Amino acid sequence: ETGVTQSPTHLIKTRGQQVTLRCSSQSGHNTVSWYQQALGQGPQFIFQYYREEENGRGNFPPRFSGLQFPNYSSELNVNALELDDSALYLCASSSRLADTQYFGPGTRLTVL
Amino acid sequence: GQQVMQIPQYQHVQEGEDFTTYCNSSTTLSNIQWYKQRPGGHPVFLIQLVKSGEVKKQKRLTFQFGEAKKNSSLHITATQTTDVGTYFCAGSSGNDYKLSFGAGTTVTVRA
Repeated sequence: ETGVTQSPTHLIKTRGQQVTLRCSSQSGHNTVSWYQQALGQGPQFIFQYYREEENGRGNFPPRFSGLQFPNYSSELNVNALELDDSALYLCASSSRLADTQYFGPGTRLTVL
Repeated sequence: GQQVMQIPQYQHVQEGEDFTTYCNSSTTLSNIQWYKQRPGGHPVFLIQLVKSGEVKKQKRLTFQFGEAKKNSSLHITATQTTDVGTYFCAGSSGNDYKLSFGAGTTVTVRA
């Protein structure tokens, strides 16, 4: 086990709704990255947070937003859900930028 | 932007045989990482390579980073049923700390 936890495990939403996913990083880690993994594909980088600031963003629209808290836990928010947002959402923590990333178990989001 | 490609997409292996999966980047990488994801699971870190030409071994797994730091390979010897899963390579370059993942090689093993 990596010590990275995510909640909820599974989630079902309908188009147009909003969702918040949560991630608790491994103790001592100050960097959290979020990834979207569609079925049969590799994880796609959404964004990264380092010491509560966004440190980089992938090719995702602004309706994907995030936060990192002083305890380094993090949230991923997705507004105006679309069917294509159905995926496994993974967070990964690391002790510093560009270091090895440890993944949590993921949240499986289904948009109907 | 940076693209990471992996081949083959699927690898069907007889138990006891060897196989290799390859990873190629469109840009020079500062490091490359390999992950394994079991069915229904999440990616689990295997190894990181940083130096040009670096070779690292983990029991039956051998990882190599190309001289130009644009490609990598994972070679598994004497495949076992426990090797089943999808193997991903992921690279980052320069000051861009995001990891770009390949699409993965999904390995199945025939007993």
